[in-house]
Amino acid sequence: DTAVSQTPKYLVTQMGNDKSIKCEQNLGHDTMYWYKQDSKKFLKIMFSYNNKELIINETVPNRFSPKSPDKAHLNLHINSLELGDSAVYFCASRPLAKNIQYFGAGTRLSVL
Amino acid sequence: AQTVTQSQPEMSVQEAETVTLSCTYDTSESDYYLFWYKQPPSRQMILVIRQEAYKQQNATENRFSVNFQKAAKSFSLKISDSQLGDAAMYFCAQYQGGSEKLVFGKGTKLTVNP
Repeated sequence: DTAVSQTPKYLVTQMGNDKSIKCEQNLGHDTMYWYKQDSKKFLKIMFSYNNKELIINETVPNRFSPKSPDKAHLNLHINSLELGDSAVYFCASRPLAKNIQYFGAGTRLSVL
Repeated sequence: AQTVTQSQPEMSVQEAETVTLSCTYDTSESDYYLFWYKQPPSRQMILVIRQEAYKQQNATENRFSVNFQKAAKSFSLKISDSQLGDAAMYFCAQYQGGSEKLVFGKGTKLTVNP
């Protein structure tokens, strides 16, 4: 029943590895987002997709690549993980006609 | 530039009392929306309340209400009859259609004392 679901909830990995975080929403929303929350709890947008098209791409290293196979899914792939990538990553979605974003439960990524 | 400032890193309140969390923002647009999100220790981001900039009336959701001062670009959250379950990080956020971005403040950690 979860509206915006992210997997996995926790991810522990070594520096240099490649990892993916998946996000799915069953709300029929058109726009999806990825946010990063750092160790000081600051939340910042990374990417936004509208109906599979990239519309926001903040200043994010190109090791981060979002992929939207359909409008219900937005995955985040991270290459060559670095210590500074450790954070909580949130997926969110928004319906076309309403400016409310609904968040997933977050994925805590720890790079060792 | 779109910025959101929360000047209180931490606040505390006694159970059943009232507390107000401050937020100021800056924007060059006239069409925007303001939000308060709550993040409990479970880390889930929960929408508390929303305000459309074009509406003069302050939004209210049960024990939560806002004081929206558009000219001063101020958007404070008042929590009445505070409960232990209100303990969380509270984030003020602003969305504007031009940038399509939701920009967050740095958060205020609220502690509720029994």
